[in-house]
Amino acid sequence: KAGVTQTPRYLIKTRGQQVTLSCSPISGHRSVSWYQQTPGQGLQFLFEYFSETQRNKGNFPGRFSGRQFSNSRSEMNVSTLELGDSALYLCASSLGQGASYEQYFGPGTRLTVT
Amino acid sequence: AQSVAQPEDQVNVAEGNPLTVKCTYSVSGNPYLFWYVQYPNRGLQFLLKYITGDNLVKGSYGFEAEFNKSQTSFHLKKPSALVSDSALYFCAVAMIYNQGGKLIFGQGTELSVKP
Repeated sequence: KAGVTQTPRYLIKTRGQQVTLSCSPISGHRSVSWYQQTPGQGLQFLFEYFSETQRNKGNFPGRFSGRQFSNSRSEMNVSTLELGDSALYLCASSLGQGASYEQYFGPGTRLTVT
Repeated sequence: AQSVAQPEDQVNVAEGNPLTVKCTYSVSGNPYLFWYVQYPNRGLQFLLKYITGDNLVKGSYGFEAEFNKSQTSFHLKKPSALVSDSALYFCAVAMIYNQGGKLIFGQGTELSVKP
């Protein structure tokens, strides 16, 4: 089976712009979660989607949003980018909803905001 | 609030020696505990998890972890370290809600295995 894929792998944006990141889960996985990884804050949960519905949201401002499509693919969007949004954004998929299932992570999208 | 602590930022081990990466947790109720590994420029890879049952959990690549409820610990171990085990290791606890959940990660421990 193909693993979790994320596009693009690298992205450079300017403050104030917006960005959309894409995640394709492992075939058959219906849950997709997003995490932000930074050297200072470590790994922080952004949101979880299951069956096209957001199930949980982390403690991030409303500039961070996401969605899930009927084929379980997911996108996250960050509007009005700030320098502090520079991070590795990781997507993870799992068979079922809820964090008790093993999550399989993609390679991440490295976002740099200048 | 549920939390995970990895008290060591870095662990250095000689190849062939046993290794331990420490993790302690604070949760209300029964914990769901995980270990993940991250290689440079890669996402996280699942190593093992503890939900219930035997306190010694075996996982991928020869790793195992020991759940200790009285010490609220879930240390990762391997009897004989390899240079290729050098990576960033994360302990995580699952927060379960009525619908869905999330992983709360420790800050990570950099494991360096020298030949």
